[in-house]
Order: sequence, then structure tokens, then C-alpha cells
Amino acid sequence: SQTIHQWPATLVQPVGSPLSLECTVEGTSNPNLYWYRQAAGRGLQLLFYSVGIGQISSEVPQNLSASRPQDRQFILSSKKLLLSDSGFYLCAWSRGWTDTQYFGPGTRLTVL
Amino acid sequence: GENVEQHPSTLSVQEGDSAVIKCTYSDSASNYFPWYKQELGKGPQLIIDIRSNVGEKKDQRIAVTLNKTAKHFSLHITETQPEDSAVYFCAARHAQGGSQGNLIFGKGTKLSVKP
Repeated sequence: SQTIHQWPATLVQPVGSPLSLECTVEGTSNPNLYWYRQAAGRGLQLLFYSVGIGQISSEVPQNLSASRPQDRQFILSSKKLLLSDSGFYLCAWSRGWTDTQYFGPGTRLTVL
Repeated sequence: GENVEQHPSTLSVQEGDSAVIKCTYSDSASNYFPWYKQELGKGPQLIIDIRSNVGEKKDQRIAVTLNKTAKHFSLHITETQPEDSAVYFCAARHAQGGSQGNLIFGKGTKLSVKP
């Protein structure tokens, strides 16, 4: 069966510090991978998606970037965090565009 | 692009009653409509989904109905239990791949089931 992992589970960072969140998927190959952000009391906003190694598409221009160094690894980064980057970050995967998306447990990021 | 609206934003029911959450979508080319349940501090979990070639789908106490003409779909939970308390999200996806094939989510409904 497939599982998706995210770490860390929680993170408190000062404004201006760098960020690296990691997502890995087990039990499948060549998945589509997604990064979402969920602000308090809001829905899910798609940030990035990837259909393969090194292929990243950005949905919302902002302070964040994403990379996919390996088939089942997806990384969300920032060089300098802003207060507005606080939120719940979710990674998801699917087999293809027409398939169900499955979400990871999420990372709670607080920028102070 | 696609826009999904979800109502109500909060819903409180007594245990054993039914709960209904409604979503409307704007793009008639959307053909896939999943529903996710998110418990506090966790990632969303798929509970049921429907594709545009069917009008209704059931899974035990949960059902989803789709009206393509009116471009709306609904989640029905019968015999609610306290463990049904969570935030529920609907979503819609365009038939094409690429950025158009990404899920567009509603803003969520916080369901509270009172014992």
C-alpha cells in the first residue's frame, strides 16, 4: 500500500529564516506530487505541483519554491520566511491527473 | 477558471440527525468531484467521490449527489455520530490535465455533531 510522509510535523521559525519541508511517498512510482497551504479557517490553496523529477509548476507566485530531486521526494523551501507564510502545509500525491489525490499528515508552520 | 462555493460554513446537528453540505461549481467541463474530511491537526482524508457519468453514489451512511445541469453536488451524512465532527471540503476537477486538471477546493464546512 502507499503511504505519504511529511516532516517536520510542527515548526516555529523566526521571520527571515530559511525553510525546508520534506514530503516522501512510498509504495508507488512516478506519482504526481502537490504542495498545498491551508491558512486558518480557509480552504486549500495549491502552491506547486510536479509530474516528474525536476518538473515543477507554480500556481501562485510567492516567497516559496519547490523541488523534486527524486521520484518520490518533494521539497518546499524558502530563503527568507515572512509572517504571512504561517499556515498548515500539506503534501499530496496521485497516480495521474485523473486519479484521486491522497494527502499527507501536514506540517504546522508558525513564523514569529 | 473553475470556482467552487461551499455552504454552509458551519453546521451543527444532533446525533442521529442527517447533515447536508452543498457545493456549486462554475466550469461545466469539470468531471470529478471528491469530498474530504479533515480532523483537527490532520491532513484531509477522501471519504467519497463521484464522476460526472453518475448522479449518485453511496457508501454506508455517506452519499453524494451530482446535478450536472445545475452544476451542484451535495454530501449527505445520515445517522450522524460524534466522530463525524470535522471540517468537510468539496472539490472539483476539470477534465483536462495540466493546471486545468488540478483540484479546486471549497472553503470547507465545520460540522459539529452534538451527543
